[in-house]
Amino acid sequence: EVQLVESGGGLVQWGGSLRLSCAASGFTFSSYWMSWVRQAPGKGLEWVATIKKDGSEKHYVDSVKGRFTISRDNAKNSLYLQVNSLRAEDTALYYCARDMLTDGYNLEYFQFWGQGTLVTVSS
Amino acid sequence: EIVLTQSPATLSLSLGERVTLSCRASQSVTTYLAWYQQKPGQAPRLLIYDASNRATGVPARFSGGGSGTDFTLTISSLEPEDFAVYYCQQRYSWPLTFGGGTKVEIK
Repeated sequence: EVQLVESGGGLVQWGGSLRLSCAASGFTFSSYWMSWVRQAPGKGLEWVATIKKDGSEKHYVDSVKGRFTISRDNAKNSLYLQVNSLRAEDTALYYCARDMLTDGYNLEYFQFWGQGTLVTVSS
Repeated sequence: EIVLTQSPATLSLSLGERVTLSCRASQSVTTYLAWYQQKPGQAPRLLIYDASNRATGVPARFSGGGSGTDFTLTISSLEPEDFAVYYCQQRYSWPLTFGGGTKVEIK
């Protein structure tokens, strides 16, 4: 069974930093692209970042470029999101998600999701 | 950035009704579009990928269609567990984007 368990969220002051983690199990982690998607309270979904299976390619939404860094440790089956210079608009539930693999090709859809870790930025 | 517009924002429907949700892209995404279902307090669930392919375990009452800029998600007969928020998402180009969602509520 695929499991994704996020941790590391919390209450942080404006301008602060956090490191979000996602522990993966139930699949060959090193074979899949992985992503972070966030959801502000009562709002819709927003894609944040994606990393290739070997970490050689990364993509970010413009609003977090230069502030957030996605990374992974395939030996530890773990995905990370370093979030710096936090702003009020970064307050959200952050989901770890596994991309979809079909016929050996990665499709940038989110096939499995964790339950999320909440980041709250206070001023 | 490709903007996805979902309409309507809310639909009030009865059990057993047929419903069609709409997602319009600001430019062509060919068939690179997915649909997700999200219930309160839960993570989203992938329903449809590449416009018309049902994800594993998704009931046959869910179907997707469209290409280019106009897409639909149809639920042939609403079940109690289908009342939720539905989002579309494109993978045609970075940044990946979601629509604003359509809430399907009980009438």
